[in-house]
This record gives sequence, structure tokens and C-alpha cells, in this order.
Amino acid sequence: DAGVTQSPTHLIKTRGQQVTLRCSPKSGHDTVSWYQQALGQGPQFIFQYYEEEERQRGNFPDRFSGHQFPNYSSELNVNALLLGDSALYLCASSLKRYEQYFGPGTRLTVT
Amino acid sequence: AQKVTQAQTEISVVEKEDVTLDCVYETRDTTYYLFWYKQPPSGELVFLIRRNSFDEQNEISGRYSWNFQKSTSSFNFTITASQVVDSAVYFCALSEAWWKLASGSRLTFGEGTQLTVNP
Repeated sequence: DAGVTQSPTHLIKTRGQQVTLRCSPKSGHDTVSWYQQALGQGPQFIFQYYEEEERQRGNFPDRFSGHQFPNYSSELNVNALLLGDSALYLCASSLKRYEQYFGPGTRLTVT
Repeated sequence: AQKVTQAQTEISVVEKEDVTLDCVYETRDTTYYLFWYKQPPSGELVFLIRRNSFDEQNEISGRYSWNFQKSTSSFNFTITASQVVDSAVYFCALSEAWWKLASGSRLTFGEGTQLTVNP
């Protein structure tokens, strides 16, 4: 039974560029949440997708956007990258309202 | 607004010592869930436990135990006879009761406690 997978593992981008991160949920899960974890801090909720719609959103600017596909996989897009966007981006999946299972994360470095 | 505070930034113990990680939370909700996650150096968050706000029974799972006290808004985690493999960052988290929502609930995390167990 495959767990939550994320790609890529690591990514280096330059300020001003755009990035797309990908997440495949655990088998049987239909809800995907994204979190940003800066170094030495706890994860911060970005947004959540269910039935291909954004259902909840944390305190993040519109530069952060996402998408969920019919197969429940999801993408996180960040435009106009800032140095402060450097972080570990974690994807979590769940079956509707239940427990969230986390993937290994994508480490984004913005230079 | 919800808030989770983990006052201990770092804890260092010697193997076989018992260690308690503190967690204090704030919420206006009367029903909610509390969680503990472990984050090893690989980065993946590993789920340890979920607790309902209406169930204050303490729980034990092997060397792990959790003490939930609603009166003091605390949900502390104890590792008995610690081992080197317990070294990781531990996060306490809080969420609204998801049955109140059309979709799943967001998790609010504390800042984490770095536990180092030395041989």
C-alpha cells in the first residue's frame, strides 16, 4: 500500500521564478492538504483540496495556488518566489475528514 | 484562533532515562482533536497519537504514554526508557473536530521539541 509521495525531493530556484510541487495521496484518500515548514519551525497550513476544490486556506498570499486532479493527486504552485519561501513543503492526505498522513516533503531552496 | 505552545525547544537525555515533552494549547472550540507527530531527520511527519477533547483518559502504547488534562489545556507526552532511535523533533498539534466541517480540518502545530537521546 503506497503512502503519500511527493516530487521532487529537492529543488533550487531563483528569486522571481515559479515552482510547481506535486503530491500523490495515499491509496484510497481523497483529500490533500499542503503545509510549509520553515527551518526550525512547525508546519504551517497553506490550503486543502477536496473534490477538486480549495476548501480551506491558511494565511498565505495569492502567490500560493493549487490544484487537485480527478485522481486526487495535487499540485502546489508558487509564483514570484521570495527568499522567505525557502522551506520544506509537506503534503498530507486523508480520507475526507479523518487523520492526515504526511509525505516526505519537498525541500525548496530559493537563492 | 488556535495556538499550540511547546516551551521546550531542545531536550537532551541519556539512554534509558524517562523524558516528558510538554504541550499547552489554546482554542475556543469545545470539541477538538490533539495530536503528536514525530519528525526524524528524513523529514517525514510520523503520526503517533490522536486524542478527542471529550476523552481525558490517559493512554499508554509501549514505551509511550500521553497525559491529557483539559483543566490545564495540556497534552504531555512521556517516553519511558528512552532509546537512541527516539531522537527526533516531536510536534504537538491541534485541530477542530472535523465532523463540524464539510471537509477535513487543518492542523495547527507547535514549534516542536528537538529530543536527543545519547548512548
